Amino acid sequence: GQQLNQSPQSMFIQEGEDVSMNCTSSSIFNTWLWYKQDPGEGPVLLIALYKAGELTSNGRLTAQFGITRKDSFLNISASIPSDVGIYFCAGQETSGSRLTFGEGTQLTVNP
Amino acid sequence: EAGVAQSPRYKIIEKRQSVAFWCNPISGHATLYWYQQILGQGPKLLIQFQNNGVVDDSQLPKDRFSAERLKGVDSTLKIQPAKLEDSAVYLCASSFWYEQYFGPGTRLTVT
Repeated sequence: GQQLNQSPQSMFIQEGEDVSMNCTSSSIFNTWLWYKQDPGEGPVLLIALYKAGELTSNGRLTAQFGITRKDSFLNISASIPSDVGIYFCAGQETSGSRLTFGEGTQLTVNP
Repeated sequence: EAGVAQSPRYKIIEKRQSVAFWCNPISGHATLYWYQQILGQGPKLLIQFQNNGVVDDSQLPKDRFSAERLKGVDSTLKIQPAKLEDSAVYLCASSFWYEQYFGPGTRLTVT
């Protein structure tokens, strides 16, 4: 089956710094989703991307759907302590097909 | 709008026992998903329902796992008998279109 490589696995940053993480796939995806998961909770949808080249923002978060349709990145600007958590990318090959998740990026923000 | 509800939140059982999890999706969402999330990994799809029909159960260990969605709303996931390696968080998600929304999950510990 398709695999998603998400990097980095973990990041330790200072409050106020910008953060970037990305996902690459062995397959072409039609949809990319980015989620954040806090301890003891389910993943929360942050941003959804539907077209190659699409750049979408949600507050301090910006995500892009790669032109090749095999990658996506997420940027967080001016990080704050509540940004701490695990960020997952997820991709879908066709509408209604299985969502494949990356392994996650653990973000730690030092105040 | 109420989110995806799951119960119980935590369950501890001994190996070879059985366990059941319940999920109530967001109102109006026709598609319901059950995921297994092992510690340190991204969620993995177990089964996907469209209304009360199964769309994808290719990754469900059918010798011990079963799921149903009667009347196309609530769903239950059962494990019988449980093994040690079933220890994980079981997440339920629902969607109206592409974007999946997750419940808080049930943390299962098998001893």
